[in-house]
Amino acid sequence: NAGVTQTPKFQVLKTGQSMTLQCAQDMNHEYMSWYRQDPGMGLRLIHYSVGAGITDQGEVPNGYNVSRSTTEDFPLRLLSAAPSQTSVYFCASSYLPGGYGYTFGSGTRLTVV
Amino acid sequence: GEDVEQSLFLSVREGDSSVINCTYTDSSSTYLYWYKQEPGAGLQLLTYIFSNMDMKQDQRLTVLLNKKDKHLSLRIADTQTGDSAIYFCAESMGDSGGSYIPTFGRGTSLIVHP
Repeated sequence: NAGVTQTPKFQVLKTGQSMTLQCAQDMNHEYMSWYRQDPGMGLRLIHYSVGAGITDQGEVPNGYNVSRSTTEDFPLRLLSAAPSQTSVYFCASSYLPGGYGYTFGSGTRLTVV
Repeated sequence: GEDVEQSLFLSVREGDSSVINCTYTDSSSTYLYWYKQEPGAGLQLLTYIFSNMDMKQDQRLTVLLNKKDKHLSLRIADTQTGDSAIYFCAESMGDSGGSYIPTFGRGTSLIVHP
């Protein structure tokens, strides 16, 4: 099925561990973004990419790393997990900028203990 | 302050109309969106409006844009229990690079009771 696939759906990490959240889309979308969703905070942009090889920081980039070696994949790396990174993470992609909106993945629920 | 503001909760009776409001600060916003998030799911684009439009209607959904006041609203006619969800307002400028990336409000939880 065409869309945005995020793995894993759930993850528990210990403080200090590192991990990679995977995001893949099969729609040939140029624009991809990572958001985190926290209660009462809405969605906050972590990092985004406007094409393969091009990434930039969003509103809350600290503690996260991204790369975009292919159009399809946009992994998010947690370098050293902290309890403040407990959140639901969403990946989203768009073919055309602006008005056509984003297609969202179903999210990864991360708990850091 | 926040770029996009929404009230956090709205409660309506089934069959009534719901109106969810949003204000934004960036006068150069080109695209304004409404997304819906059901429990445990990602966001789904409901509708969008270009800044040169005043209104857009799509079945039970009506979007009104007051560009002068930077106010966006989503009206859901004949609200059903299946409409219970969180509704996010978002905006983007859409002129180059990162400005296309939408900025989201905190979301309005719509509760529909019988």
